[in-house]
Amino acid sequence: DAGVIQSPRHEVTEMGQEVTLRCKPISGHDYLFWYRQTMMRGLELLIYFNNNVPIDDSGMPEDRFSAKMPNASFSTLKIQPSEPRDSAVYFCASSPRLAGGYNEQFFGPGTRLTVL
Amino acid sequence: AQKITQTQPGMFVQEKEAVTLDCTYDTSDQSYGLFWYKQPSSGEMIFLIYQGSYDEQNATEGRYSLNFQKARKSANLVISASQLGDSAMYFCAMREYGNNRLAFGKGNQVVVIP
Repeated sequence: DAGVIQSPRHEVTEMGQEVTLRCKPISGHDYLFWYRQTMMRGLELLIYFNNNVPIDDSGMPEDRFSAKMPNASFSTLKIQPSEPRDSAVYFCASSPRLAGGYNEQFFGPGTRLTVL
Repeated sequence: AQKITQTQPGMFVQEKEAVTLDCTYDTSDQSYGLFWYKQPSSGEMIFLIYQGSYDEQNATEGRYSLNFQKARKSANLVISASQLGDSAMYFCAMREYGNNRLAFGKGNQVVVIP
């Protein structure tokens, strides 16, 4: 299994530009999560999907952020327009269906975003 | 309110010694799960170990064990026989029943020295 795949691994952009981060979850996983990691705030959950449907987006910082999951094998996180404070590492994670237990989340390698 | 607390400063550990990383949590749920993840300098998040709130035995995975004290709401990670490759940030996380959100602590930095 290839694991969770994220692209790009690094992104450097200028303030005001649109940024799109991509994620391919592990095949068969029903849940997909987007996290942001910064030194100040640690790891924060932005949004998660169940069977391609957004379930909880309360962590999305503001309207500049949007996430979609058009099918079971692909998700995007978009920032438009980007700002320097959006600089962070963005992780995508996926998890199989909860079967009475608490299945672990498998993380992708992350996308390091720098907004100048 | 912060649900996961990891307050230890960065730790230096001698190779082959054991190290304990502290984690306390806050929940009013009876059903929850506790997780530990490792993040080396390369940045990926690696799952280490899981403990369910109803598990009577402390979880173990190889050199990792979880010292679960439910009444004290603590879930400390013990790494035995430290190796140089254990140098990393370690994150404690919790998921409450019926909630797919993982709440992470701020992490503990561990440096293993030869």
